[in-house]
Amino acid sequence: DGGITQSPKYLFRKEGQNVTLSCEQNLNHDAMYWYRQDPGQGLRLIYYSQIVNDFQKGDIAEGYSVSREKKESFPLTVTSAQKNPTAFYLCASSMGQGVRETQYFGPGTRLLVL
Amino acid sequence: KQEVTQIPAALSVPEGENLVLNCSFTDSAIYNLQWFRQDPGKGLTSLLLIQSSQREQTSGRLNASLDKSSGRSTLYIAASQPGDSATYLCAVRPKTSYDKVIFGPGTSLSVIP
Repeated sequence: DGGITQSPKYLFRKEGQNVTLSCEQNLNHDAMYWYRQDPGQGLRLIYYSQIVNDFQKGDIAEGYSVSREKKESFPLTVTSAQKNPTAFYLCASSMGQGVRETQYFGPGTRLLVL
Repeated sequence: KQEVTQIPAALSVPEGENLVLNCSFTDSAIYNLQWFRQDPGKGLTSLLLIQSSQREQTSGRLNASLDKSSGRSTLYIAASQPGDSATYLCAVRPKTSYDKVIFGPGTSLSVIP
């Protein structure tokens, strides 16, 4: 089955700790995205990547880092510099161009601070 | 700056009713608008994509319309079922910042049996 997988489903972070969220897709999509979702708010873009070995900051990149070494994988690291990391994190990929570009989402990872 | 709003924030209807969810955006310069469904604690599922040149799209009991000039889109759900209970989000892809899709906060729908 083609799709996007995220792991783990739940992640607990201690003060001062860096944690990494995994995102893998087998849809052969070029573009991948990381979003943060807080209760009652829309999704906010953290980072995105249109091609391997290239990525761009979104609207709330501070305290986060990413890599894109393979087309299928786009891991997100939440660093100790992110002071309010508790949220639901969603990974997405997209296909198509221009008016036809459609986003597809993974199941999400919920990050909690101990 | 593009902003997307959805009213109401929550909606409760009896089973079998037809209903309309609203999405408004401030800048009509968009490539497309996409409607998603999100179940509690889950990712987003794409429902319909309307390209900027289109006025509506249909899938089963769902019909989405787009009026760019007024900055509005509606999602019509016919003959609602308890399984339709979820949060529905709309998102626009702006022409001014292609990679940065802007999401609305969502409407939480409850269909009461």
